[in-house]
Amino acid sequence: ETGVTQTPRHLVMGMTNKKSLKCEQHLGHNAMYWYKQSAKKPLELMFVYSLEERVENNSVPSRFSPECPNSSHLFLHLHTLQPEDSALYLCASSQDSTGRNYGYTFGSGTRLTVV
Amino acid sequence: AQSVAQPEDQVNVAEGNPLTVKCTYSVSGNPYLFWYVQYPNRGLQFLLKYITGDNLVKGSYGFEAEFNKSQTSFHLKKPSALVSDSALYFCAVRGPYGGATNKLIFGTGTLLAVQP
Repeated sequence: ETGVTQTPRHLVMGMTNKKSLKCEQHLGHNAMYWYKQSAKKPLELMFVYSLEERVENNSVPSRFSPECPNSSHLFLHLHTLQPEDSALYLCASSQDSTGRNYGYTFGSGTRLTVV
Repeated sequence: AQSVAQPEDQVNVAEGNPLTVKCTYSVSGNPYLFWYVQYPNRGLQFLLKYITGDNLVKGSYGFEAEFNKSQTSFHLKKPSALVSDSALYFCAVRGPYGGATNKLIFGTGTLLAVQP
């Protein structure tokens, strides 16, 4: 257990469904990230939150909607997804705002399959 | 702009032999360098990091990496490979400045396959 918990671990959803991915950390980190990892592709950074404020959105389609209600929780709301959105979605956190530079701590990911 | 390159998609090595997974980087200022390992259907696990100090960094599971500033490299090494080391390895770099927008940049990953 890394200290970053993602639920669910696996999710199968239809293209018309609405679902949410959850990420939780109690490491005292103040930045959180969503990554998409597709087979045979580089890690894709989707969203960055720092102190609960979105600081980066890398041209992600609007069918993905992030939410960061507090520094410990991050959600990714999904609706009307496409089969090509099937991937492993990884959440990460880091301690950034103090200026100390450590690496990221990753969760185990949610394996999403869109049918 | 920051970037990191892992020139090999896959590295094959026999169990018991030494292994090297290559990484080169480009960053403004002194780099902060990281290696992560990913097992199938799992998240990335931290292996080791270089922030400052000795160029040879030791990490988890017997891995080490050597920071070479002149060659802008941070190759991952292990003296004797195990079959259980077979996984996907990611190198990552960030610059020395604070703030979440100064994010980690990941390489494309190198698949390490250790044959019995």
